[in-house]
Amino acid sequence: DAKTTQPTSMDCAEGRAANLPCNHSTISGNEYVYWYRQIHSQGPQYIIHGLKNNETNEMASLIITEDRKSSTLILPHATLRDTAVYYCIVRPSTGNQFYFGTGTSLTVIP
Amino acid sequence: SQTIHQWPATLVQPVGSPLSLECTVEGTSNPNLYWYRQAAGRGLQLLFYSVGIGQISSEVPQNLSASRPQDRQFILSSKKLLLSDSGFYLCAWSQRSNEAFFGQGTRLTVV
Repeated sequence: DAKTTQPTSMDCAEGRAANLPCNHSTISGNEYVYWYRQIHSQGPQYIIHGLKNNETNEMASLIITEDRKSSTLILPHATLRDTAVYYCIVRPSTGNQFYFGTGTSLTVIP
Repeated sequence: SQTIHQWPATLVQPVGSPLSLECTVEGTSNPNLYWYRQAAGRGLQLLFYSVGIGQISSEVPQNLSASRPQDRQFILSSKKLLLSDSGFYLCAWSQRSNEAFFGQGTRLTVV
């Protein structure tokens, strides 16, 4: 069962930063926050994950609040190709399953 | 590098016919394997996962079954398809508790 809450949809202007929020108020100490995205009719693509500290890779940055009850995925310079559904998932370090919620549909506008 | 293969990409099957979808992973050993389904306009639903050969965990009761005859092969089956089995089926793998990687999916339409 998904343990996260995300807005249903968001818009972002091309070239601007896209900030996608996620609430996970019941997260446990051993649970990681994962982000995936799914472009229409394709399989989900892994973006980034973190436990406590902020993380950055070539795709995005992940900001996790100090109490770990929420996080924000940042796409620093959104492009039209970033239009997709973005999923926030919490998963224990020893867990085998990934449970997806309904995600946020991000539309990047020219 | 690791790759995941899933086929066919699209499939149209009549109600009552059998189903077999195959997924194979290359470049890794003893992966966790997953089958997900996505109904039109909906989120991803975890159907089955496997942590080893012959070990299958079912997440929801349904008309489908899964098997793992080899370490890197995961098969989704049905003896008799229902209209409600239509959807986008995705296979994924992960190395234990690390991130999961997905195949490109099979779009199944039951008519």
